[in-house]
Amino acid sequence: EVQLVESGGGLVQPGRSLRLSCAASGLTFDDYAMHWVRQAPGKGLEWVSTISWNSGNIGYADSVKGRFTISRDNAKNSLFLQMSSLRPEDTALYYCAKGYCSSTSCSIDSWGQGTLVTVSS
Amino acid sequence: QSALTQPPSASGSLGQSVTISCTGTRSDVGGYNYVSWYQQHPGKAPKLMIYEVSKRPSGVPDRFSGSKSGNTASLTVSRLQVEDEADYYCNSYAGSDSLAFGGGTKLTVL
Repeated sequence: EVQLVESGGGLVQPGRSLRLSCAASGLTFDDYAMHWVRQAPGKGLEWVSTISWNSGNIGYADSVKGRFTISRDNAKNSLFLQMSSLRPEDTALYYCAKGYCSSTSCSIDSWGQGTLVTVSS
Repeated sequence: QSALTQPPSASGSLGQSVTISCTGTRSDVGGYNYVSWYQQHPGKAPKLMIYEVSKRPSGVPDRFSGSKSGNTASLTVSRLQVEDEADYYCNSYAGSDSLAFGGGTKLTVL
């Protein structure tokens, strides 16, 4: 069974940085693209970023481009999201999610439980 | 990058059918057969119900079906059951390593 466990969320002041991590198990991690998706309180799902199996293809939502960096460590079955210049509108539950194939075109078939990021002074 | 358009709400009676639409453009829904649908119950993570327009993952009841015509994809839930009441989101590949989600549809089972 695929398990995705996010960590690193918390309360952070505007303008500061935060790094999210996702530990994956129950899968051959480097066979799949991975994604970050967020959900603001009471709102819908918003795609944040995607990385292909070998980090060769990476995409970002316009709302985070230039501020967030996605990366992965296939040797450690881990996915990361480095978030900088955080804004109050970045407040959300951040989900780590697994694609159902190795490329960025395939969408998500498994989700973690999320880690909450709150940006507030 | 634009969000896909879904109706905010939909409803159907127990045992009946309901269809939820998801409208995009030829740059996303209309341009690729990578449309997925997710079910989300309150406080829970989303669950994949349909992928690649009309394929059902193992374990998803055949009451759930998907289709696409032009720039609009649709999710049909047949023989509605109480547990189908949830939020539903569509998703599509949008080119250049990007994805797009719909705004979500709250399905009420009457």
